[in-house]
Amino acid sequence: GEDVEQSLFLSVREGDSSVINCTYTDSSSTYLYWYKQEPGAGLQLLTYIFSNMDMKQDQRLTVLLNKKDKHLSLRIADTQTGDSAIYFCAEIAGNMLTFGGGTRLMVKP
Amino acid sequence: DGGITQSPKYLFRKEGQNVTLSCEQNLNHDAMYWYRQDPGQGLRLIYYSQIVNDFQKGDIAEGYSVSREKKESFPLTVTSAQKNPTAFYLCASSIELGGETQYFGPGTRLLVL
Repeated sequence: GEDVEQSLFLSVREGDSSVINCTYTDSSSTYLYWYKQEPGAGLQLLTYIFSNMDMKQDQRLTVLLNKKDKHLSLRIADTQTGDSAIYFCAEIAGNMLTFGGGTRLMVKP
Repeated sequence: DGGITQSPKYLFRKEGQNVTLSCEQNLNHDAMYWYRQDPGQGLRLIYYSQIVNDFQKGDIAEGYSVSREKKESFPLTVTSAQKNPTAFYLCASSIELGGETQYFGPGTRLLVL
């Protein structure tokens, strides 16, 4: 079956850039997503990228897609303490959204 | 304001009891979903519904039941057959099934007394 993998933790200092990585397995995925989850809350859609794109930029967020390696990354510029959360990547596989296990981003002042 | 609401925020279940989690959306979305999230883990699909009066089992449907009598509502019942119900439950919806962005509710945390 499809598997989406992410590293469990990332720690950065406030003001630095954060890069969260994700690998996926379904080469037929049409959309890939990044969601943010703050403690005790639901998932907030951050951004998404269509599979025929290599890069998408949205203010402090940059998404890079390497289809050859099935690798997706989310870069957060000028990381702030409010960015501390769990970040999930997800792919559309078949008709279903398949999530990675989430990366916990910790921002140190 | 358009969105998805879930209630209650916290729910306590006694042994042998069935409990129902509410999910309502006013986005006019056809598809709705229920996910379970365990601590430190990703989301697992319990049930999904493509359209009113239709629903299908996801990856971990055992011990759960759903109904979809109205487009805007997709309640989830956690039955006594679910032996490990303590988790965070998330409801989501999308315009249609597959290939569309899913929007999530705030979640319900279920705890067993």
